[in-house]
Formats: sequence, structure tokens, C-alpha cells
Amino acid sequence: GAVVSQHPSRVICKSGTSVKIECRSLDFQATTMFWYRQFPKQSLMLMATSNEGSKATYEQGVEKDKFLINHASLTLSTLTVTSAHPEDSSFYICSARDHSGGPSSYNEQFFGPGTRLTVL
Amino acid sequence: GQNIDQPTEMTATEGAIVQINCTYQTSGFNGLFWYQQHAGEAPTFLSYNVLDGLEEKGRFSSFLSRSKGYSYLLLKELQMKDSASYLCAVREFGGYQKVTFGTGTKLQVIP
Repeated sequence: GAVVSQHPSRVICKSGTSVKIECRSLDFQATTMFWYRQFPKQSLMLMATSNEGSKATYEQGVEKDKFLINHASLTLSTLTVTSAHPEDSSFYICSARDHSGGPSSYNEQFFGPGTRLTVL
Repeated sequence: GQNIDQPTEMTATEGAIVQINCTYQTSGFNGLFWYQQHAGEAPTFLSYNVLDGLEEKGRFSSFLSRSKGYSYLLLKELQMKDSASYLCAVREFGGYQKVTFGTGTKLQVIP
């Protein structure tokens, strides 16, 4: 199956700093990537849909000025958590869909390994 | 919007069969996914249904009834390594076809 990578896998930062998380599709092009957040013992919550060449679409209740998303190319999307606070500590996961119409003809979503953010 | 419900926790015995149910309500259904997630890891794909019926893949099978807004994941010959959370996710039709996840079912397999 297709591979999605995330960097970093784990980050610890001080309150008030900004953190950038990268999501890359390694062997396919992804015009659309999704960013999820998962708190302990909870399910994945969709934060925003990242679209190459246009502005991201944010879910209700997600602050677009705090969670900056840039989909710079067909293989890279970045999520920047600005002025991070302890309540932003979470597991952030991106996913991308392969639109190539190849073996994944149902456009399966492939997930990155996740980034665990801890804000002190 | 979407509303997706799953049982919170289930326990089953090694070697047995377990069925995890998922009910959903959505304005534009365009497919249902099942994912497995071990603690601290990203979800891994198990199955996809877009038409009614049963999809079988080894020890895992998934069933869908669109008219009832219902799906289940069936795990056969349970193994200890199957202890994980199982997430039901529904994709919407149109737009960017976003996928929304249910609350997840934590399955514990006991000897």
C-alpha cells in the first residue's frame, strides 16, 4: 500500500512556542490530505482538510489562526500549532488519499504514523 | 453532519468470534471503513464497504446495510494480538469526501 510519513514523531515544547508537523505522501500524489487530532482514549477528530493550491477547510470549532495548514505540493502538507499550550498536547495524525485509480481503486485513506505533541 | 456510534468496549476469548457493530447517520454516504488501532500507533486499514453485503478478508469480514445505516466487523479465530481499538469511519459524498470516525471500540482478547 501507499506510504505516508510524518515528522517529527514526537515533540516536546514549551508553552507559547510554535511547532510544525510535516506530512508527506512518499509514493503517490495527494491533492487532499486530512489532519486529525486524538486525545487519550478518544477517537480521531478531524481538524481540517488540506488542499494543494488552496486554503484549508477547517472543521467547526477548530481555530484556523492557531492551526496553520499549508499544502505546498502534491506530496507535502504541514500543520503548524502556533503559540502552543498544554491543552494542545495530543496525538496528531495526517492521512492522504491516493487518487491514482490504481490498486486502491476505492481511494483508501492512508495514515501517517502520527506525531505526539507534549506542551509543557 | 454525521453521527457514528460503536460500543465503547468489548471482551472476547482467544479463538472465538466477535462482532463489532457500527451505526451511522449521514447526509451523503460514500463508503464505510474499518480501522484497527493499537495504543500509541496510527490506525491501520482493515476493510472498506460501499455496497450492501459482506466483504471477507482472511479472519476479518465487514458487512454493510446502507438502508439501515449499519455495519459490523467480524473477527474470527481471535488472537491475543487482536486486542486493540477498532474504528468505524464513514466517508461523505461530495466536496473533499472527508472521512469521519466513530468513537471506536476497545477490544480485549483474553486467554
